[in-house]
Amino acid sequence: GDSVTQTEGLVTLTEGLPVMLNCTYQTAYSTFLFWYVQHLNEAPKLLLKSSTDNKRTEHQGFHATLHKSSSSFHLQKSSAQLSDSALYYCALSDQPGYQNFYFGKGTSLTVIP
Amino acid sequence: DAGVTQTPRHEVAEKGQTIILKCEPVSGHNDLFWYRQTKIQGLELLSYFRSKSLMEDGGAFKDRFKAEMLNSSFSTLKIQPTEPKDSAVYLCASSWDRGWEQYFGPGTRLTVL
Repeated sequence: GDSVTQTEGLVTLTEGLPVMLNCTYQTAYSTFLFWYVQHLNEAPKLLLKSSTDNKRTEHQGFHATLHKSSSSFHLQKSSAQLSDSALYYCALSDQPGYQNFYFGKGTSLTVIP
Repeated sequence: DAGVTQTPRHEVAEKGQTIILKCEPVSGHNDLFWYRQTKIQGLELLSYFRSKSLMEDGGAFKDRFKAEMLNSSFSTLKIQPTEPKDSAVYLCASSWDRGWEQYFGPGTRLTVL
C-alpha cells in the first residue's frame, strides 16, 4: 500500500552545517509530495510541495526535488540556522481529488550553536 | 482570511469524562480532517469529511471517538469516555481538496488524569 518513510526521530545539527532530511514514498499513482514544518507550540504549515519530476522546489531557504525514479523527496538546506529547529513532516497525496493522503512519522530537527 | 480555529486550546479531563473539541475550518474549504499528534506516533488521522460527509473514520479510534460536521463551518470531536492514553494534541485541518495543502489549526492539548 501507499506509505511515506522519512528520517525518523531526532536529528541534531550544528548551526551552519547543511541540512538533509530524507523522505521516500511508495505509491502506484501519480504523486504530490509535501513537506510541512511545525515549530514549537505552533500548528504545522506547508513548507514545500511538488508534483513535477526532477524539478527543484524552493522556499525559505529550503529546497527539495521530487525524483520519481527513486521515489524520493528529500528536504535540504545549505546552512542550518537556529530558527530551523522544528518538527518536519513529509506527506504524500496520490493526486488532487484522490482520497489518499499520508504523513510520515516526522523528524525533529534541533540546531545547536 | 481567517485560518482554522480550534477551541479550547487546553483541556484537562478526569478519566471517564466526556470532552468535546471544536473546530472552524477555513471558509470555502471542502475537506476537514481531525488528527491526533503524539511524539511516538506523529500525526494519526481520526476523521476526514468531504463537504460535510464523513469519508474516513479511523479504525482504531472508532469506539470512543466521534467527529461530526454540523455545517460547513463547524466540526466537533467527541471523546467518550476519556482515558489517560488519550492525552495528546488534537489538530484540525482543512483544505480545498484532499490532494492540496492542508491548513492546520493551533490544536487542543488534552490531558487526561
